[in-house]
Amino acid sequence: EPEVTQTPSHQVTQMGQEVILRCVPISNHLYFYWYRQILGQKVEFLVSFYNNEISEKSEIFDDQFSVERPDGSNFTLKIRSTKLEDSAMYFCASSDTSLEQFFGPGTRLTVL
Amino acid sequence: KQEVTQIPAALSVPEGENLVLNCSFTDSAIYNLQWFRQDPGKGLTSLLLIQSSQREQTSGRLNASLDKSSGRSTLYIAASQPGDSATYLCAVLNTNAGKSTFGDGTTLTVKP
Repeated sequence: EPEVTQTPSHQVTQMGQEVILRCVPISNHLYFYWYRQILGQKVEFLVSFYNNEISEKSEIFDDQFSVERPDGSNFTLKIRSTKLEDSAMYFCASSDTSLEQFFGPGTRLTVL
Repeated sequence: KQEVTQIPAALSVPEGENLVLNCSFTDSAIYNLQWFRQDPGKGLTSLLLIQSSQREQTSGRLNASLDKSSGRSTLYIAASQPGDSATYLCAVLNTNAGKSTFGDGTTLTVKP
């Protein structure tokens, strides 16, 4: 069964460093999303992406964040200068026109 | 601003029992509602998607209902099994641009 994959599973970085989280959505999906979940808290929407542009973004998704679909298969989230409070599990999701979202296993980001 | 609440926060039942998980949302102008399962430290698994025009969806032992006018959804699990133990999340898709709002989840424990 097709699934969303994410790499790496765990990323440790120093405060102020740039990180890129990678996702491979399900192949025939057209809508892509990033969410995050801080330990013990709700899943929070960051950004949605369709037709090579951002459809919607939350107030969390400030200038430190960017997304890109560099080729036909990958979808990336870049955090330019990480802060301690960026430590969280980051989930990528994708959907087809039904908008049923399928999530990847997540990348645990730890900022020291 | 959409708010999603799930009650109860935790539920413990003996194996074989039928149970109901509740989800309420403040803004009834939704696009769809999706129920997920999350195992500890893992990603989200889609269980059921209900479009805003639908009243219920069924998959195996799971049945989800939606009452948009009252801002409520329920997830009914029949004949619960220990393998059903997990956190169940409901998420409301507010627009077709992709922003979903999640509840805090109900953590279910099914005792053998």
